Amino acid sequence: NAGVTQTPKFQVLKTGQSMTLQCAQDMNHEYMSWYRQDPGMGLRLIHYSVGAGITDQGEVPNGYNVSRSTTEDFPLRLLSAAPSQTSVYFCASSYSLRTVNYGYTFGSGTRLTVV
Amino acid sequence: SQKIEQNSEALNIQEGKTATLTCNYTNYSPAYLQWYRQDPGRGPVFLLLIRENEKEKRKERLKVTFDTTLKQSLFHITASQPADSATYLCALSNTGNQFYFGTGTSLTVIP
Repeated sequence: NAGVTQTPKFQVLKTGQSMTLQCAQDMNHEYMSWYRQDPGMGLRLIHYSVGAGITDQGEVPNGYNVSRSTTEDFPLRLLSAAPSQTSVYFCASSYSLRTVNYGYTFGSGTRLTVV
Repeated sequence: SQKIEQNSEALNIQEGKTATLTCNYTNYSPAYLQWYRQDPGRGPVFLLLIRENEKEKRKERLKVTFDTTLKQSLFHITASQPADSATYLCALSNTGNQFYFGTGTSLTVIP
């Protein structure tokens, strides 16, 4: 099993550019989410989805869009990149009824730098 | 909003000793608390869960306590090994679906 796959691993953007971070899982997990991780701030939830066609905002959604057209994929779109969006982005997934006992499965992350 | 704090400074301990990491929270009443391990350049990996009605949970060399009165969880690694060196994150939830993460504590086990 590949688990949760994130692409790209590294990305440099110029301010104002847009891009999409890709996330795919092959475990048939209903729940998927995007976090950003910054020094001293911990993991902060950006957006999440409890199933195909259903998305909702997390703690820090501004500047990001998501959609969930299939169970497997949950892309994160940066609309107009800003230096404040420089961070490491993690995608995570789980079986909704098993999150408590088995936790989230995380991807290996995308390191994004906005200059 | 909820606030989750972990040891702000890195923890260095000698191999074979017990490492104790702290997770404190405020403005929150979680029913579930999880611990994760994160290695450099990798995503967090789930270790174990403790529920609000459980005082203590063990898994191999790991022990977690959950004190809802003190609003604190302690995470212990006994007989620590250099391979235990990593950052450890706590995560809390009152629903079991959405978990909120602490800032993490970096642990280094010195041979």
